[in-house]
Amino acid sequence: KAGVTQTPRYLIKTRGQQVTLSCSPISGHRSVSWYQQTPGQGLQFLFEYFSETQRNKGNFPGRFSGRQFSNSRSEMNVSTLELGDSALYLCASSLNQLLYGYTFGSGTRLTVV
Amino acid sequence: DQQVKQNSPSLSVQEGRISILNCDYTNSMFDYFLWYKKYPAEGPTFLISISSIKDKNEDGRFTVFLNKSAKHLSLHIVPSQPGDSAVYFCAASGGGSNYKLTFGKGTLLTVNP
Repeated sequence: KAGVTQTPRYLIKTRGQQVTLSCSPISGHRSVSWYQQTPGQGLQFLFEYFSETQRNKGNFPGRFSGRQFSNSRSEMNVSTLELGDSALYLCASSLNQLLYGYTFGSGTRLTVV
Repeated sequence: DQQVKQNSPSLSVQEGRISILNCDYTNSMFDYFLWYKKYPAEGPTFLISISSIKDKNEDGRFTVFLNKSAKHLSLHIVPSQPGDSAVYFCAASGGGSNYKLTFGKGTLLTVNP
């Protein structure tokens, strides 16, 4: 079966711009979460959506936002990009995250210059 | 404040021997723990989980042990294989309606042939 698909794989943006990342979860998975991975901070939770509702949110500024559509596909948006936003952004979906864990996509590598 | 800590950034073992990866946590509200493996340029892959009501969970070559009083868990891989070489992340969840995973910073395991 198809895994979690994230697009694009790589992105280069300039400071001050905004960016939208896309995630298509595994068919049937209604929970979608987003994580940011950086060398210094490791994997940090951004937010989690379930049935189009944000169920949990991490400690990131309001420049980071997301949404989930009725088909469970999700997008995250980062506005007014800063150099420190350069990271690997990972999307994960799950049927039951505690029993089966999350299935992660390969991520979108964002570089802000 | 790092609530999930993996104090060993790296570990090297010989093929066929046991690999033991350790993880400590500080938040007593965590009640579900997961281990993930990550290869370069890929998203993390779920390996095994354990609920706080158990002290051991086994899946093939992988066994996770949980010591709640010490707030410590470990992942044992027996026997270790070169293909196990990857970064291993420990993660914890508060359970209930909190589906956020808090990750450790990872341990790079190298299994030498």
